[in-house]
Amino acid sequence: DVKVTQSSRYLVKRTGEKVFLECVQDMDHENMFWYRQDPGLGLRLIYFSYDVKMKEKGDIPEGYSVSREKKERFSLILESASTNQTSMYLCASSSTDRGNYGYTFGSGTRLTVV
Amino acid sequence: RKEVEQDPGPFNVPEGATVAFNCTYSNSASQSFFWYRQDCRKEPKLLMSVYSSGNEDGRFTAQLNRASQYISLLIRDSKLSDSATYLCVVNPPGGYNKLIFGAGTRLAVHP
Repeated sequence: DVKVTQSSRYLVKRTGEKVFLECVQDMDHENMFWYRQDPGLGLRLIYFSYDVKMKEKGDIPEGYSVSREKKERFSLILESASTNQTSMYLCASSSTDRGNYGYTFGSGTRLTVV
Repeated sequence: RKEVEQDPGPFNVPEGATVAFNCTYSNSASQSFFWYRQDCRKEPKLLMSVYSSGNEDGRFTAQLNRASQYISLLIRDSKLSDSATYLCVVNPPGGYNKLIFGAGTRLAVHP
């Protein structure tokens, strides 16, 4: 069964800390994505990557950075955590195979910044 | 205007009812369309793709109207296990398979 694994299910961090969220997929997918999900706002794209070492800003990249050193791993970094970054963070991957555009999501990381 | 708009609900229906959700999208050049299901505090999972000719998967029927930029999901004979949030999802032009998610419609099926 194909999988996207996020390293932590729940995290509590302090304001100003540097936070790393890790995501690993075992499907050899080219594309990987980081979203955050907030009530009433739906999923909003933070960053995505279509290849190793390649990254593109999504709709809300401010306060975040990403790293993709290996195809299977896509990391989201909160440079200096703030309380407005308290959210559910979802990683997803997809193939570039035309006709197969669906995402597979990880189980999410619920981050609380205090 | 949001790129993908859905009625947030909740839709409260009895078991066995038929319920329909609608969704509109703003980019007329969008290429592919999906419905995802998300259970409480879980990740979204692909329910079904939506094809131009309409498609059915058991009790679920999806329709696409490109002229009106409108997508629908019909659930027949609702089960308690159908209770979830249903996300309308659109793949706009621009490559990289960068999906746009609606905020979701919540369905609660009661006995």
